[in-house]
Parts: sequence; C-alpha cells; structure tokens
Amino acid sequence: AQSVTQPDIHITVSEGASLELRCNYSYGATPYLFWYVQSPGQGLQLLLKYFSGDTLVQGIKGFEAEFKRSQSSFNLRKPSVHWSDAAEYFCAVGIDNTDKLIFGTGTRLQVFP
Amino acid sequence: EAGVAQSPRYKIIEKRQSVAFWCNPISGHATLYWYQQILGQGPKLLIQFQNNGVVDDSQLPKDRFSAERLKGVDSTLKIQPAKLEDSAVYLCASSSIGAGGYTFGSGTRLTVV
Repeated sequence: AQSVTQPDIHITVSEGASLELRCNYSYGATPYLFWYVQSPGQGLQLLLKYFSGDTLVQGIKGFEAEFKRSQSSFNLRKPSVHWSDAAEYFCAVGIDNTDKLIFGTGTRLQVFP
Repeated sequence: EAGVAQSPRYKIIEKRQSVAFWCNPISGHATLYWYQQILGQGPKLLIQFQNNGVVDDSQLPKDRFSAERLKGVDSTLKIQPAKLEDSAVYLCASSSIGAGGYTFGSGTRLTVV
C-alpha cells in the first residue's frame, strides 16, 4: 500500500540557516509527489510538485525538492529560512494516476530569530 | 480567482448532536474532496466527488457521515450523531481534472465535547 513517512515531527532552525525536511514514500510505480505548507488556522498551500522529468523541482517561496528514486525520497530544501516560513509542512503522494493524495504526518518548523 | 470557501470556521457541539459543513469550490473545478485532519496527523481523504458523482467514499464512516454535491458545485458534509473522536479540522479542496495538486479551503475546526 502507498504510504508517506516524514521522520521529523519537529525541527527548529535559526533564521537565515538552511533547511531540509525529509520525506520517504512507498509506491510501486513512479509517484506523483507534492509538498504542502499549512500555517496555523489555514488550509494547505501547494509549494511544489513532481510528476516526471527533471528530478530537482523548484517551487514557490524559494523552496525546492529533489526526487531520488533509489532512496524513495523527496526532500524539501531551502537555502535560507525566513521567520515567516514557520509552519507545518506535509509531503504527499498521488495514488495510481488519480487525483487522490496520501499525506504524511507532517513536520512542524520553528524558526528562531 | 476566488479560493475554496468553507463555513463555518469553528463549531463546538456535544456528542450525539449533528453538524453540517459547507464548501464552495473554485469555479469550474470538477473535482471536490473532503479531508479529515486530526490533530498531529496529516489529512485523510473522506470522500471525492467528480461533478456531482461520488468517485471514492471508501474511507467515509457511512454510519454517521454523509456528503452530497448537488448540481456539481457546492458540497455539504454532515455528521450525525457526532462522537468525541470526530474532533478534527475538516478540509475541503477542489481541482480541475488532471491538474495535479489541489486548492484547499481554510477548513472547519470541529470540537465535540
């Protein structure tokens, strides 16, 4: 069965530091992969998505993610974190070429000034 | 474009009462989803509509949850009777077919006491 694992429940970084959030997936075929961000009291906003092609995907707000098939990973990165990036981040995998998504349990990012 | 609208934003009810949530998707989006997000977990799909037909309701607890999407536009999700474990944020999302990735509403936070 398809699944998504986000090993880090909570990450704390200093403003200006680099960031990497981990995501591992379980899926038989080439997956559709997504990263969403959720600010407190808000819905989820799509940061970026991978369907095929270039394995390094650029998203909004300066985020990027790299698909590594050999590691079944789709880690999210940002070179310099801003205080406004503090939020919860969810990785998701698309199911069987449908529009259905399975989400990980999320990683809460805290940013210190 | 206007986003996905949901109401109410917050609802507190006693167990065994009934409650209904409303969602208005982005104009022209054929696919509509209801997700349940329990505190500390990722969103879980409850039901998927395409136009006014149900595509997937395999995760919907049908003994107490119901949903409809009349005329293929607005949707309502109902819980009757509510249980304590139904306390969660209920997220509505919509997408155009094959778009890859949804637009989420801000959600309805339900507390059952």
